[in-house]
Amino acid sequence: EAGVTQFPSHSVIEKGQTVTLRCDPISGHDNLYWYRRVMGKEIKFLLHFVKESKQDESGMPNNRFLAERTGGTYSTLKVQPAELEDSGVYFCASSARQGSLDGYTFGSGTRLTVV
Amino acid sequence: GQQLNQSPQSMFIQEGEDVSMNCTSSSIFNTWLWYKQEPGEGPVLLIALYKAGELTSNGRLTAQFGITRKDSFLNISASIPSDVGIYFCAGLNYGGSQGNLIFGKGTKLSVKP
Repeated sequence: EAGVTQFPSHSVIEKGQTVTLRCDPISGHDNLYWYRRVMGKEIKFLLHFVKESKQDESGMPNNRFLAERTGGTYSTLKVQPAELEDSGVYFCASSARQGSLDGYTFGSGTRLTVV
Repeated sequence: GQQLNQSPQSMFIQEGEDVSMNCTSSSIFNTWLWYKQEPGEGPVLLIALYKAGELTSNGRLTAQFGITRKDSFLNISASIPSDVGIYFCAGLNYGGSQGNLIFGKGTKLSVKP
C-alpha cells in the first residue's frame, strides 16, 4: 500500500511569490491533515479535511494560506503571497477514521524556504 | 491553546547508554504518542499510550502514560547509532470532531559510536 505522498519535497521561492504544495493521502482515507514545523519549534496543526469538507481550520496562520481538497482525494495548500516566516516543513497526514489513530500516517513533508 | 513541554531539547550520548525524555502538559489528553523523525522523512509512530498509568514497550523503547494524564516519558535502552533523530511527544483527544495532534518541540538525539 502506498503511503502518504507529498510533492514537491523541497521548494525555494522568493518572498511575494506563490507556492502550491500537494498531498496524496493513503487511498480510502477520508481524513487528511496539514501540519507545519518551523525550525526548532513544535509541529503545529494547520487544518483537517473530512473528505472534501474542512472539519477544522483553526490552525491556519492567516488568509495567505488556502487549502483545498476537491473531490475528496488529494489536497493542495497554496501560500500566496509567501513571506519569510512561512519557511518550514509542511507535513500532511491521513487517517481512516476521524479522531482515531487508525492508520494515521505522515508524509515525508515539503521543505519550504522563502528567501 | 494546549501546549506540550518536552525536555530535554537535545541530547548527545555515547552508544550503549540509556536515554530518557519527557513531556508535560497543562491539560489532559486521552492518548499520548511518541514519534521519531529522521532526516527527510515524516514522523513515524513509535508508541501509543491509551490509559493513565499504562507502561508500554516496543523493543528497546519504553513509554509511560502519567497517572494524571498530563505527562509521559520515553526511555531508550542501550542506544545504537540508528536511534539518531528527533523524538516528538504528541497528545490526542480522540472522539468527537477532533483528530489533530498536539506536538512537543522535540528532543534531538545524537549517538556517538
